[in-house]
Amino acid sequence: DVKVTQSSRYLVKRTGEKVFLECVQDMDHENMFWYRQDPGLGLRLIYFSYDVKMKEKGDIPEGYSVSREKKERFSLILESASTNQTSMYLCATQIGTRANYGYTFGSGTRLTVV
Amino acid sequence: QKEVEQDPGPLSVPEGAIVSLNCTYSNSAFQYFMWYRQYSRKGPELLMYTYSSGNKEDGRFTAQVDKSSKYISLFIRDSQPSDSATYLCAMVKSNTGKLIFGQGTTLQVKP
Repeated sequence: DVKVTQSSRYLVKRTGEKVFLECVQDMDHENMFWYRQDPGLGLRLIYFSYDVKMKEKGDIPEGYSVSREKKERFSLILESASTNQTSMYLCATQIGTRANYGYTFGSGTRLTVV
Repeated sequence: QKEVEQDPGPLSVPEGAIVSLNCTYSNSAFQYFMWYRQYSRKGPELLMYTYSSGNKEDGRFTAQVDKSSKYISLFIRDSQPSDSATYLCAMVKSNTGKLIFGQGTTLQVKP
């Protein structure tokens, strides 16, 4: 089974800090995604990547950036954390380029910005 | 209007009940349909996947797709307390390949 590991389960950061969320997969999946999940809003796509050094904006990219230097690692960066970025962040991977292959999710990082 | 609508619940049922979870969608471009289960403080996991209209069964779970009505359902027979989780429907737009999620329905099965 594919394993998707998110480096932190819980994180507390101060407003204005630069925050790095790391995601590592142990299979050779091309596609990787970052979502945030909020009550009443569901899952919202922040950024995704189809290959190393490639990235595309999702539905809510403002305030975020990403980095994919190696195929197995996809990092989400909050340039200057704000309280409205308090959320559950989920990383997902997908084999191939056809979305009918389902996503495999990590366990999530619950970020609190104070 | 959201592309995928799902009643967030919460839904509370006694153990052994049949549970029906539903999603509607507005765009005919959706072609592949999935159900994810998410336990508290965990990431979603793929539960079932269907393509065509009709039913697909896997143990106590049945996924149903009605493309003419733009309606999908997940039925859970003989529900167990271990089924308590949030269930998210998801569907793929054939023209973009992107996966669109419903809001999720929180289910509690009481012993």
